[in-house]
Amino acid sequence: EAGVAQSPRYKIIEKRQSVAFWCNPISGHATLYWYQQILGQGPKLLIQFQNNGVVDDSQLPKDRFSAERLKGVDSTLKIQPAKLEDSAVYLCASSSGLAGGRYFGPGTRLTVT
Amino acid sequence: EDKVVQSPLSLVVHEGDTVTLNCSYEVTNFRSLLWYKQEKKAPTFLFMLTSSGIEKKSGRLSSILDKKELFSILNITATQTGDSAVYLCAVEARGGAGSYQLTFGKGTKLSVIP
Repeated sequence: EAGVAQSPRYKIIEKRQSVAFWCNPISGHATLYWYQQILGQGPKLLIQFQNNGVVDDSQLPKDRFSAERLKGVDSTLKIQPAKLEDSAVYLCASSSGLAGGRYFGPGTRLTVT
Repeated sequence: EDKVVQSPLSLVVHEGDTVTLNCSYEVTNFRSLLWYKQEKKAPTFLFMLTSSGIEKKSGRLSSILDKKELFSILNITATQTGDSAVYLCAVEARGGAGSYQLTFGKGTKLSVIP
């Protein structure tokens, strides 16, 4: 079974630039999550989708972050404009239902200079 | 606010030692507790615990949950250098609109030296 796919794996941008990340969940998984993991901390949920609808985006900084999952499969997360404090690993995860174990992708390491 | 506290934050042991990692939590609407192993990449799912007192086991790893005292432990016996990683504890709780939120602790960094 293929796992969660993410790209790119690494990205370096300057502050105020924009960046986008892509995620393809495990086949058949209806729920998709984007997490932000800052060095030395556990992952923090940014947004959760069930199929193509948003279930929870309460911790997403909506002034600069946006995410979509138009066809209920792939998802993109965008940051515009980026700030230095956005430097982190962005993890995508999926699960078959609304609850239970999340299966994580390899992550995208973002460095904002 | 939901809270998950792991201890110790870091640990150095020799190969063959047995280690116990701790996770305590304060959440409302608890559903489950999950353990993940994170090397230099994404967290890898280890266990999900929902019931008190029932040990989950996978090879040299085992875990148990105490819902009365609000904690869980992860045991690793006969440690190997490949066990070196950050071990993350996360607690799942029911949120709004039917969602289930996962709150992670900061992790325990385990280093196993030969």
